[in-house]
Amino acid sequence: QKEVEQNSGPLSVPEGAIASLNCTYSDRGSQSFFWYRQYSGKSPELIMFIYSNGDKEDGRFTAQLNKASQYVSLLIRDSQPSDSATYLCAVSLTGGFKTIFGAGTRLFVKA
Amino acid sequence: DAEITQSPRHKITETGRQVTLACHQTWNHNNMFWYRQDLGHGLRLIHYSYGVQDTNKGEVSDGYSVSRSNTEDLPLTLESAASSQTSVYFCASSESPSGRSTDTQYFGPGTRLTVL
Repeated sequence: QKEVEQNSGPLSVPEGAIASLNCTYSDRGSQSFFWYRQYSGKSPELIMFIYSNGDKEDGRFTAQLNKASQYVSLLIRDSQPSDSATYLCAVSLTGGFKTIFGAGTRLFVKA
Repeated sequence: DAEITQSPRHKITETGRQVTLACHQTWNHNNMFWYRQDLGHGLRLIHYSYGVQDTNKGEVSDGYSVSRSNTEDLPLTLESAASSQTSVYFCASSESPSGRSTDTQYFGPGTRLTVL
């Protein structure tokens, strides 16, 4: 069974702090890794994807990938109350291109 | 603007009834997906399609069926609704004709289904 694991949270950080969200996956051959944000009662929307080891930055967001450790993370700098949402880690598997989603981490940014 | 829509947005039905949830996208995407989302389980893949006349089972396909007669639509049918199928259902689409692993999926607004 291919798995994507996330801490369900809630993760609570003060406004302006760095929020660190983590994800591990079981399929060593996984190719692509995505972070989606989902506000309560809404549909998921893509924040970033990464497929090479290392860091990828986009504005206040940085995705980090370590394939040897099967670990992917999302850092949110200068966290804002509007960042309060559930963050879903998703992994595209080898040989089929299907995407497996983690259960998500709830983030709460306190003003 | 291109979009992906789902209908109905909310549905209450009774055990044993057949239910069809609609998904329509105007992105002209080849790939379409149906997920269900339940507390503690995240998004789980029900069925997916890589093009017209193509359908495939996902990890939780029992009790569900789909058909793809055109590019825009992938209706999801619950053959005989069960209380275990109470959930939020999301339809998604992506572009690549080969289902490339870097494809972004675009999600519809969701359908909240309650089976009594």
